[in-house]
Amino acid sequence: NAGVTQTPKFQVLKTGQSMTLQCAQDMNHNSMYWYRQDPGMGLRLIYYSASEGTTDKGEVPNGYNVSRLNKREFSLRLESAAPSQTSVYFCASSVWGQGAYEQYFGPGTRLTVT
Amino acid sequence: AQTVTQSQPEMSVQEAETVTLSCTYDTSESDYYLFWYKQPPSRQMILVIRQEAYKQQNATENRFSVNFQKAAKSFSLKISDSQLGDAAMYFCAYRSARSSNTGKLIFGQGTTLQVKP
Repeated sequence: NAGVTQTPKFQVLKTGQSMTLQCAQDMNHNSMYWYRQDPGMGLRLIYYSASEGTTDKGEVPNGYNVSRLNKREFSLRLESAAPSQTSVYFCASSVWGQGAYEQYFGPGTRLTVT
Repeated sequence: AQTVTQSQPEMSVQEAETVTLSCTYDTSESDYYLFWYKQPPSRQMILVIRQEAYKQQNATENRFSVNFQKAAKSFSLKISDSQLGDAAMYFCAYRSARSSNTGKLIFGQGTTLQVKP
């Protein structure tokens, strides 16, 4: 079991460039999430997908788009990168439903926009 | 909207001693879940402990335990017999139990724990 995988682990972009962060999980989870982590701010939700075929905005969605490709995969796209998007990005997945279900996190992607 | 606050950016503890990390939250809901996650230098997020708000008994996991005070909206983490491997950033997180919530977590700012040998 690989759990949640993310690619790439590191990326440097120039302002205005685009890129897609890939995420996949092999735990048959319904729900998937994208967070960003910035110093002193914890993790903030960018977008989430409660189930295959649905996506919704989180707390900080501006400048991002997502695609739930299938039950396993949930990608995050930056169409025109800005220095404010320099951050560490985490993908997570969980079972959906009532209960204190754990979210499982990927290893993160450190993105620098110059 | 719910918020989670960790007011201690940094804490330190001597190896084998006990340390308590603080977390407060704000919500108008009565049913929810609370979590503590650990993030070591590897950056991997690891669940430490979880608490259901409807349970009065405090959760424990080996050397980790919580002090859950629902009326005060406080959820502190106690680490007993601290070990060098406990050095990490710790995040407190809140999740609504409402079915429409879809499992979103709201995180605090994090507390960096240093363990001194």
